[in-house]
Amino acid sequence: GENVEQHPSTLSVQEGDSAVIKCTYSDSASNYFPWYKQELGKRPQLIIDIRSNVGEKKDQRIAVTLNKTAKHFSLHITETQPEDSAVYFCAVRTDSWGKLQFGAGTQVVVTP
Amino acid sequence: ETGVTQSPTHLIKTRGQQVTLRCSSQSGHNTVSWYQQALGQGPQFIFQYYREEENGRGNFPPRFSGLQFPNYSSELNVNALELDDSALYLCASSSTGLKTEAFFGQGTRLTVV
Repeated sequence: GENVEQHPSTLSVQEGDSAVIKCTYSDSASNYFPWYKQELGKRPQLIIDIRSNVGEKKDQRIAVTLNKTAKHFSLHITETQPEDSAVYFCAVRTDSWGKLQFGAGTQVVVTP
Repeated sequence: ETGVTQSPTHLIKTRGQQVTLRCSSQSGHNTVSWYQQALGQGPQFIFQYYREEENGRGNFPPRFSGLQFPNYSSELNVNALELDDSALYLCASSSTGLKTEAFFGQGTRLTVV
C-alpha cells in the first residue's frame, strides 16, 4: 500500500519567517495531494491541495509544490503568523474514491 | 464549517463494551470515510462507504463495522472495545470523481477505560 513520510515532526519559526514541510510517497499512481491544518482539539481543515497534473499551486501565503518524478510534495508558508501554529498533515490519494493516506504530522510553532 | 456533523462529541466506555458513532455527510456528498486518530498521530483510514456499500477497508479488525444510509449518513460500530481503541474518530465526506476533496467532521473523542 501507499506509504507517506512527513518531515520534520516539529518546526519552530519566528513570526514573519517561512516554514516548509516535506512529504514523500511511494505509489506512483497517487493523484491527489491535500494538506490539512489541525488546531488542538479541532477537526483537520483542508488548507490547500494539488492534483497530479499540476506542479505548483498558491493561495495567498500558502503554496504547495509537487515533484512527481521524485514522488515528493511540499507545503510552503510565507510570512508566518502566530495563528499559523498548529499541526499540519499531508495526505495522498491513490484512487478516485477519496481514501486518504496521511503523514504523521508536523507541529508548527510560530513565536512572536 | 464543513457541514459534516458527528455525534456524540465525547464518549467514555468500558473495555468490552460496544459503541456506535454517527456522521452526517455534507450536502451533495455521497461517500463517507472513517478515520481513527490516536493522540499525536495522523488519521488512519478505517473504511469507506459509497451508496450503502463498504468500498475499501484499512488495516482494522472485523469488530470495526459500519453502515451507510440512503441519505448518505453513516455509522461506525466498534464491538468488544479495547483500551487501544481510545482515539478521536473522524468521518470525512466527499463525492466521487475528480473533484473529491474530503471534509472532516469535528470528530468523536472515545475514551475506553
